[in-house]
Amino acid sequence: SYVLTQPPSVSVAPGQTARITCGGNNIGSKSVHWYQQKPGQAPVLVVNDDSDRPSGIPERFSGSNSGNTATLTISRVEAGDEADYYCQVWDSSSDHHVVFGGGTKLTVL
Amino acid sequence: QVQLVQSGAEVKKPGASVKVSCKASGYTFTSYYMQWVRQAPGQGLEWMGIINPSGGYTSYAQNFQGRVTMTRDTSTSTVYMELSSLRSEDTAVYYCARERSEIYGMDVWGQGTTVTVSS
Repeated sequence: SYVLTQPPSVSVAPGQTARITCGGNNIGSKSVHWYQQKPGQAPVLVVNDDSDRPSGIPERFSGSNSGNTATLTISRVEAGDEADYYCQVWDSSSDHHVVFGGGTKLTVL
Repeated sequence: QVQLVQSGAEVKKPGASVKVSCKASGYTFTSYYMQWVRQAPGQGLEWMGIINPSGGYTSYAQNFQGRVTMTRDTSTSTVYMELSSLRSEDTAVYYCARERSEIYGMDVWGQGTTVTVSS
């Protein structure tokens, strides 16, 4: 089955740029989605289809996807961005199956 | 407004079954897939399966094959997830989330249902 690999943690100072990666075999050929999850809350979709932003998501959140790596970029990081972030794709080789990355804890220093 | 409202917390004994409901409102129920995702305490998100409310097609993650059943009731815009032969490792928060198709992502989530399996 398809595997997505994320770093367990990323740290960044307020106002700086955070980059969270999601690795997978030829992930550039897939549509990647990113979710933000704060403690005790349901996940929230922050980027879909590699780089689209759902309504209400700040422009500071952006995404890219090429080759074997997709990246979520958060510009001008704020304390409120501290959360777990998950990437997700559909595994087209497995009948509508969905795969999540292991998640990355973003810490704002 | 668009929302998914899930049933309340459950406490079950090992070997029992649990059935969680997810009631949709504010959109055309049959136009979106419904995904089920769970999260064990301190762990990441784990995909369980998908149901197409239009027709009832289902597909389940291999980890849950034979133990999970997803159904829907179009008259009440509700989907159900039943997990059987519960064990302590099934203690988790269970979420439903709608998804239009592969490129849209899960844009609306239920509030989550806590299932505790304990003797």
